[in-house]
Amino acid sequence: AQSVAQPEDQVNVAEGNPLTVKCTYSVSGNPYLFWYVQYPNRGLQFLLKYITGDNLVKGSYGFEAEFNKSQTSFHLKKPSALVSDSALYFCAVADYKLSFGAGTTVTVRA
Amino acid sequence: GAVVSQHPSWVICKSGTSVKIECRSLDFQATTMFWYRQFPKQSLMLMATSNEGSKATYEQGVEKDKFLINHASLTLSTLTVTSAHPEDSSFYICSAWTPLSSPLHFGNGTRLTVT
Repeated sequence: AQSVAQPEDQVNVAEGNPLTVKCTYSVSGNPYLFWYVQYPNRGLQFLLKYITGDNLVKGSYGFEAEFNKSQTSFHLKKPSALVSDSALYFCAVADYKLSFGAGTTVTVRA
Repeated sequence: GAVVSQHPSWVICKSGTSVKIECRSLDFQATTMFWYRQFPKQSLMLMATSNEGSKATYEQGVEKDKFLINHASLTLSTLTVTSAHPEDSSFYICSAWTPLSSPLHFGNGTRLTVT
């Protein structure tokens, strides 16, 4: 069975500092990995995906993620966080339907 | 980009009544639609998968007689919460998928409050 784990419930950073949200995965075959962001009382917005190719994936709003096969990780990163990046972030793995991690609440303080 | 419209965005109903939530794919035909439920500060729990023209596949523990799902066309799926109870209060989110698309596209969710 496929699954993802987000080891941190919360991440707090100061505006302008680098932001990292961790995700590890477990799949039996090739992983299809996604990051989504959710703002309060809203649905999910797609940030980026890894299907194949370069290990460094660039996505929306300045986010990027690095696929690391040996560590089975797909951490989300942003070089310089903004207050508006404060939200709930979900990592997900898919073969046909998505399985979500528990989510990480990101708070960026001014 | 692909747009999924979910309606209503919020609804309050009395215990014992039924509530219908609509999920529409506005600019593409969705072969499959998924219905999720999200409790406060928790992840999304997949409730069921619906394919156009066939019966929905429910996840273990989800009552199919309480959460009726209809996917009558390639652009519309509905979730009806029947005989709602306060414990059904939650945030419900739909998503749509087509073989030509990746990733899933999500609606903005429906906040259901049962009093």
